[in-house]
Amino acid sequence: DIQMTQSPSTLSASVGDRVTITCRASQSISSWLAWYQQKPGKAPKLLIYKASSLESGVPSRFSGSGSGTEFTLTISSLQPDDFATYYCQQSRTFGQGTKVEIK
Amino acid sequence: QVQLVQSGAEVKKPGSSVKVSCKASGGTFSSYAISWVRQAPGQGLEWMGRIIPILGIANYAQKFQGRVTITADKSTSTAYMELSSLRSEDTAVYYCARDGDGGVRGVIFDYWGQGTLVTVSS
Repeated sequence: DIQMTQSPSTLSASVGDRVTITCRASQSISSWLAWYQQKPGKAPKLLIYKASSLESGVPSRFSGSGSGTEFTLTISSLQPDDFATYYCQQSRTFGQGTKVEIK
Repeated sequence: QVQLVQSGAEVKKPGSSVKVSCKASGGTFSSYAISWVRQAPGQGLEWMGRIIPILGIANYAQKFQGRVTITADKSTSTAYMELSSLRSEDTAVYYCARDGDGGVRGVIFDYWGQGTLVTVSS
């Protein structure tokens, strides 16, 4: 099975910061990677699919890049609504999550 | 707009079973797979299995093989997840999600139910 590893596990940032989260696959997955945002007590929300395609309705400050084994999710200017936990996903395997908290 | 509505919270005894439902509306139920994903308190997301309603075929994560059964009723656009031999470690929020099933967008979960808390306690 392919393993997905996210880093960091926790990230402290301020409103307006540029934030980058990394996800590594244990073997090449081409561009078959998605990113989700989850807030406490809520279901995950799809942000990005196929590594860099923005889901409809998702703000453009979110972007994804990468292929093969290394991927990034970038938030260009962190907004108050963005403090949440982010998960990468390949096929039916999720990364362990990255919590973005207020600095 | 696709909507997935799950059944309410459950409290179960160790060794018993639980069955959670997920009713779909606003889309073509049979055209997509429905996956079940769980999240233990303070933990990450764990895929359990999925069903393709139009085929009635389910497949399961190895970890849950033999303990989980996923079914679907096309007439009511409802999917079900039954987990047996419950133990305390099964305490979690259980989500259903529409599974893109490897289409042009890849395997993605684009619509989610609201989650069902299952508490296993003696």
